[in-house]
Amino acid sequence: QQQVKQSPQSLIVQKGGIPIINCAYENTAFDYFPWYQQFPGKGPALLIAIRPDVSEKKEGRFTISFNKSAKQFSLHIMDSQPGDSATYFCAAGRLAGNMLTFGGGTRLMVKP
Amino acid sequence: DVKVTQSSRYLVKRTGEKVFLECVQDMDHENMFWYRQDPGLGLRLIYFSYDVKMKEKGDIPEGYSVSREKKERFSLILESASTNQTSMYLCASSLVQTNQPQHFGDGTRLSIL
Repeated sequence: QQQVKQSPQSLIVQKGGIPIINCAYENTAFDYFPWYQQFPGKGPALLIAIRPDVSEKKEGRFTISFNKSAKQFSLHIMDSQPGDSATYFCAAGRLAGNMLTFGGGTRLMVKP
Repeated sequence: DVKVTQSSRYLVKRTGEKVFLECVQDMDHENMFWYRQDPGLGLRLIYFSYDVKMKEKGDIPEGYSVSREKKERFSLILESASTNQTSMYLCASSLVQTNQPQHFGDGTRLSIL
């Protein structure tokens, strides 16, 4: 049973497009929502994270939107580049804890 | 830079063998984690350790055990390997304070024949 559901599983966009990856969670105790980026042959690395006291967070071309009432959050990549081609994982956890529950991952390809 | 090193990139073992996967981190992190990564299932936590000799079960601990005798080293043990344990295994470490990112190794691709 997956507590964090991520969609889509794969995504292809043209350079400059805005891919959007969505996640939904079930556990209302979650209060920390990071996104990890994984390139082929490498381990995941933290990209950006949000807490539920804000509805949006931007870091460079990456934006997280958060909807607490719907228990959903999403990652937008502005002006996407071929170098953004990677697998993206959303995750959820508790600030008071140490463990994260990951979504199933989205394989993004940005075509030149 | 934080470095998490997994001992093997690729490993092939036989059904029934006892398999050891080793992970070492160089940043004095308290927390260490073992995940397995399967397509469509994301990262699933096998075991977590928050201190030497301390461990907690994750979501899928069955068929696995762990050992943490030193702070920098966390071992995953497959007691009797089975074909359904063929997967990518990822080790991670983090500081114990909240909001601290998990730093991952590059993974071990394990095949059980």
